[in-house]
Amino acid sequence: GAVVSQHPSWVICKSGTSVKIECRSLDFQATTMFWYRQFPKQSLMLMATSNEGSKATYEQGVEKDKFLINHASLTLSTLTVTSAHPEDSSFYICSATVYTEAFFGQGTRLTVV
Amino acid sequence: QKEVEQDPGPLSVPEGAIVSLNCTYSNSAFQYFMWYRQYSRKGPELLMYTYSSGNKEDGRFTAQVDKSSKYISLFIRDSQPSDSATYLCAMRSMDSSYKLIFGSGTRLLVRP
Repeated sequence: GAVVSQHPSWVICKSGTSVKIECRSLDFQATTMFWYRQFPKQSLMLMATSNEGSKATYEQGVEKDKFLINHASLTLSTLTVTSAHPEDSSFYICSATVYTEAFFGQGTRLTVV
Repeated sequence: QKEVEQDPGPLSVPEGAIVSLNCTYSNSAFQYFMWYRQYSRKGPELLMYTYSSGNKEDGRFTAQVDKSSKYISLFIRDSQPSDSATYLCAMRSMDSSYKLIFGSGTRLLVRP
C-alpha cells in the first residue's frame, strides 16, 4: 500500500507555544489529506480536510485559528497547533487517499505541559 | 443515533479461534467499506477494502458486506496474539469528499 509519513511521532511542548506536525505522502501525490484527533480508547475524530492549493475545510467545532493547516504541495500537509494548552494534548493522525483507499500516518502524540 | 455502530469490546479469544467483528450503519449512501487495524499509539493500518456486497478474502482475513442489511463483518481465522489490537470499520459514500466515517473500534485480545 501507499506510504504516508508523519513527523514527529511524539512531541512535548510548553503551554503557550506552537507545534507543527508534518504529513507527507512518500510515493504518491495527494491532493487531499485529512487530519484526525484521537483520545485514548476512542475512535478517530475528523478535524479538517486539507486541500492542496486552497484553504482547509474544518469540521464543526474545530477552531481554525487554533489548528492551522497548510497544504503547500501535493506531498506535504502541515498541522500547526498554535498557543497550545494542556487540553490540546492528544494523538493527531493524518491520512491521504489514493483512488478510493485511505492510508494513515503513524500518528503524533502531543503532550502540552 | 450514530451513523456507524461498532461494539467496543473488549473481545478476548484464545489463540487459534475464529474472530468475528461487526459494524452496522444507517446511511444507505455508503458504498465503500474498510477495515483498519490499530496498535496502541500507532496510526491505523488498512486491512481490507470492499465496495460491493459479498465476501472478500485475503489470507486469514475475510471481509463481508451485506448492503441490504447495512451490516459489515471482518472474520479472522486462526487468530494469533499478534492480532491483538483495535479494529476500526470505516465507510464512505461515492461523493468526492473522500471523508471516512469510523466506527468506535473493537478492542481484540488474543490469548496465547
